[in-house]
Amino acid sequence: AQRVTQPEKLLSVFKGAPVELKCNYSYSGSPELFWYVQYSRQRLQLLLRHISRESIKGFTADLNKGETSFHLKKPFAQEEDSAMYYCALSGHATSGTYKYIFGTGTRLKVLA
Amino acid sequence: GAVVSQHPSRVICKSGTSVKIECRSLDFQATTMFWYRQFPKQSLMLMATSNEGSKATYEQGVEKDKFLINHASLTLSTLTVTSAHPEDSSFYICSARNPGVLEAFFGQGTRLTVV
Repeated sequence: AQRVTQPEKLLSVFKGAPVELKCNYSYSGSPELFWYVQYSRQRLQLLLRHISRESIKGFTADLNKGETSFHLKKPFAQEEDSAMYYCALSGHATSGTYKYIFGTGTRLKVLA
Repeated sequence: GAVVSQHPSRVICKSGTSVKIECRSLDFQATTMFWYRQFPKQSLMLMATSNEGSKATYEQGVEKDKFLINHASLTLSTLTVTSAHPEDSSFYICSARNPGVLEAFFGQGTRLTVV
């Protein structure tokens, strides 16, 4: 079954400290993985997609198929990074239906 | 990025009535749309996946007769909560996917309150 796991509900770091938000997934095929961010009172926005191998706002995420992980990292956290972060997976289920599912989210708090 | 508009953003209805929520892709054709429900401080729970011109595929535990989904055009999907009850009060979010790109784009959500 498809599943996305984000083990941390809350992660607090000091400004300037490195950040790593964990995401593990379960999927039988080749998934497409994404990180979304939700700032206070705003809609979900795409932050990163694994296929692009891009760095957005200083964040990067590498897909590790061996560990089935897609952790989100940033070397130096900024206060404006405080938000809710969701890891998401898309792909076809065994039934053939295309699904887009989310992890439970991690709230990142960057302290001054 | 692509824009997805959801309407209304807030709705209050009486118990027993039905409420329709619209999700529109404004600048792209969305062959697939997703409907989610989000409880306070919790993640998005996928309710159903709808493909234009065909029946929606519901997740386990989601009542298809209660949450009617219609995806009649490439730019519009609707979710109708029928015979609403207070326990249906929640934040409902839609997203739309253009097959030309991998990611889905999200609407701003609809806060439904059933009184």
